[in-house]
Amino acid sequence: DIQMTQSPSSLSASVGDRVTITCQASQDIRKYLNWYQQKPGKAPKLLIYDASHLETGVPSKFSGSGSGTDFSFTISSLQPEDIATYYCQQYDNLITFGQGTRLEIK
Amino acid sequence: QVQLQESGPGLVKASETLSLTCVVSGYSITTGYYWGWIRQPPGKGLEWIGGIFHSGTTYYSPSLKSRVTLSVDTSKNQFSLKLNSVTAADTAMYYCARANYYSSGIRRFDRWGQGTLVTVSS
Repeated sequence: DIQMTQSPSSLSASVGDRVTITCQASQDIRKYLNWYQQKPGKAPKLLIYDASHLETGVPSKFSGSGSGTDFSFTISSLQPEDIATYYCQQYDNLITFGQGTRLEIK
Repeated sequence: QVQLQESGPGLVKASETLSLTCVVSGYSITTGYYWGWIRQPPGKGLEWIGGIFHSGTTYYSPSLKSRVTLSVDTSKNQFSLKLNSVTAADTAMYYCARANYYSSGIRRFDRWGQGTLVTVSS
């Protein structure tokens, strides 16, 4: 099984901050990685697919990069509506999610 | 636009079988996607359960494969999950989702249902 490790597990940042979350795979997954946003009480929402492609309708303040085993997800300017838990997900071998990163406003 | 809606008992007794259905509206399940299940225990992260194509081809999580059966009913435009021999560890929000796929399997989940909470009681 491929393990996905996100860092940090939680993050507190100020409005307007640039925020970056990382996701590390236990083996090479090429660019087979997606990012989701889950707001409290809601279903997850796909933001980024194939490591760096923005899903249709998702604001360009969200971005992703990486390949192989190391990936990152960035919010360019944090806003209150971005408060959520973010998950990475690999699909190189079946499906595995990272444990999530809870983002809070400082 | 595509909508997914989970339904099924909210309470299941330990050792019994959990059964959920996901009804898809606004899109035919025979057209170009896999259909999957993901669960989330209270306060915890996401766990993939499995996915099914309208032809019946399935992918399962190795950790749940021995207890899970997915099926599809194209006449009702819905798909279903059965998880047998449940324990308290199976208490979770269960989501159904539409899954984009490629030659080697499922890629990403682009539409999700709102989820249904299933509690396993002793």
